[in-house]
Amino acid sequence: AQKVTQAQTEISVVEKEDVTLDCVYETRDTTYYLFWYKQPPSGELVFLIRRNSFDEQNEISGRYSWNFQKSTSSFNFTITASQVVDSAVYFCALSEGGTGANNLFFGTGTRLTVIP
Amino acid sequence: GAGVSQTPSNKVTEKGKYVELRCDPISGHTALYWYRQSLGQGPEFLIYFQGTGAADDSGLPNDRFFAVRPEGSVSTLKIQRTERGDSAVYLCASSPNRDPGANVLTFGAGSRLTVL
Repeated sequence: AQKVTQAQTEISVVEKEDVTLDCVYETRDTTYYLFWYKQPPSGELVFLIRRNSFDEQNEISGRYSWNFQKSTSSFNFTITASQVVDSAVYFCALSEGGTGANNLFFGTGTRLTVIP
Repeated sequence: GAGVSQTPSNKVTEKGKYVELRCDPISGHTALYWYRQSLGQGPEFLIYFQGTGAADDSGLPNDRFFAVRPEGSVSTLKIQRTERGDSAVYLCASSPNRDPGANVLTFGAGSRLTVL
């Protein structure tokens, strides 16, 4: 069965610090997709990134970067030089695309608070 | 529309009552999803529509929950004989692709249901 673990329930950092949010996943499929979504206080989930299981290249987008390691089944998310606007709940999610599964399985989320 | 619209944003009802929650997806999106998010948890899959038909309703918790999408656009989630445990935020999402596993979902702001 698919599973996503976000062990960090809450993290607080001071503005401009770097922070890494951990995500460990579990699946029996060889084809799958991993996602990160941001949920600000407004409540609307905002898509950040999607990676497929065949592409282990790390990705950087501005202050955001993602480290995908199949050997450890991890897909960690780093925010560099954090800002107050980064305060939100961040969800890692898994979709088993190869089986035709059609839904995202979310972790329990990590609440990030950036203190000015 | 520009985004996924959900109404009502808040619904308070009494135990045993019937509730309808509406989702208006992004125009042209063929796939529509309902998720339920309880406090402190990640969203949990309820049902997935491809066009007018429910392609996967395996996440519906019991037969009190039902959803329709008669014309392939707007969807209504219906909950009969509500219970206090049904209190949660009900999220709707849509996507344009027919490849469900790789879908990037666009979420609405959710309907917060409180059952007294």
